[in-house]
Amino acid sequence: GAVVSQHPSWVICKSGTSVKIECRSLDFQATTMFWYRQFPKQSLMLMATSNEGSKATYEQGVEKDKFLINHASLTLSTLTVTSAHPEDSSFYICSARRGQGAGEQYFGPGTRLTVT
Amino acid sequence: AQTVTQSQPEMSVQEAETVTLSCTYDTSENNYYLFWYKQPPSRQMILVIRQEAYKQQNATENRFSVNFQKAAKSFSLKISDSQLGDTAMYFCAFGKAAGNKLTFGGGTRVLVKP
Repeated sequence: GAVVSQHPSWVICKSGTSVKIECRSLDFQATTMFWYRQFPKQSLMLMATSNEGSKATYEQGVEKDKFLINHASLTLSTLTVTSAHPEDSSFYICSARRGQGAGEQYFGPGTRLTVT
Repeated sequence: AQTVTQSQPEMSVQEAETVTLSCTYDTSENNYYLFWYKQPPSRQMILVIRQEAYKQQNATENRFSVNFQKAAKSFSLKISDSQLGDTAMYFCAFGKAAGNKLTFGGGTRVLVKP
């Protein structure tokens, strides 16, 4: 159990367009989901915490108007990169929390975004 | 704020041998969790092992074990009988007991050689 999926796994978009990434918990309900960004050969950087039915909490330095997060149900959170630019190209990973406490986080397989 | 430091950017080990990855952290919290995650070339993050700070006994999961030194704020991972499939990036992570977030270290790349 505790499977998290992401869609798409890879997306290429043109500069100035928007792209949406979905994160789903397949076999459990996740009141909290997280979005991370990972540059090549670097660690994961937390972008925002997404709580079902409420606004996301963004980390310092993350533009909330650029990275729109919606957690509409207990199994789905979406990240929309608006007006994408080449510098937004990165690997985006979501995780979902099952239960209480920091321990029960399960990660999706990630989405590679390339902005041309 | 918490910080997690992994001082070894890269390590290599012969198949079937043992390798130890270091991790130190800084926190003023008393209750927290520590984790080691593996990220193979597929980039799927996989939980390797978890340690609750209130437990003195070191966690073990098959060939993976930790040496948790709370006073020293150290949390090393030992991989025994290394296998080729252990080749991956390994991240140490810290999480508050009452919180949501995980704070990750910079990672250690492990290469298992045949």
